[in-house]
Amino acid sequence: QSVLTQPPSVSAAPGQRVTISCSGSSFNIGNNYVSWYQQLPGTAPKLLIYENNRRPSGIPDRFSGSKSGTSANLDITGLQTGDEADYYCGTWDSFLNAGLFGGGTKLTVL
Amino acid sequence: EVQLVESGGGLVQSGGSLRLSCLASGFNFTNFAMHWVRQAPGKGLEYISAISSNNGGSIYYADSVRGRFTISRDNSKNALYVHMSSLRNDDTAVYYCVKGARYHYDSSGYMFDHWGQGALVTVSS
Repeated sequence: QSVLTQPPSVSAAPGQRVTISCSGSSFNIGNNYVSWYQQLPGTAPKLLIYENNRRPSGIPDRFSGSKSGTSANLDITGLQTGDEADYYCGTWDSFLNAGLFGGGTKLTVL
Repeated sequence: EVQLVESGGGLVQSGGSLRLSCLASGFNFTNFAMHWVRQAPGKGLEYISAISSNNGGSIYYADSVRGRFTISRDNSKNALYVHMSSLRNDDTAVYYCVKGARYHYDSSGYMFDHWGQGALVTVSS
């Protein structure tokens, strides 16, 4: 059981918007940056969002991140079939002194 | 272009040892913390080890591997290593070499901007 809680799966139609949540505590999300990773089937993860809401170069602005208190969200707008992937949040836990990943969320674009 | 190429994966018996290597290119290796993240078949990501930049004076291990795995780096070769011993069936996973975005691995340094393709380690009993 992960310290960071993500929904196991989400789904939406092409063109729609989806939000993936990541819930933690004051020791992790509440006091550290959150990053998000996309893992397409059969490939290595890729950085999507860092420092809560910043996008690396080359990441479309359809992907956005936010954080409020002890939760963070990844929003994806204008869904495409190519967005079907597993998405992971990650952050440091200052109490455990450990790096954390959420359990991952499988996105299905119907 | 940043490249991270892992090698050394394979099949090993329970209780055995294996060393993974990661050759890095396309960036100033000395300046960045480096990490190992693993993924068991059909499971999520697990953060297992990290080493700070430069002389690697700061090292992290997850509880699941502490005492069995040893991370190291050779800045003269742009190489990252993890020596794995006393391997167990639940160590079976794809092991990713990952570049950090800072010189340190914790707090704001816990961010991974480039990943290798992964090396599969299978532990059999």
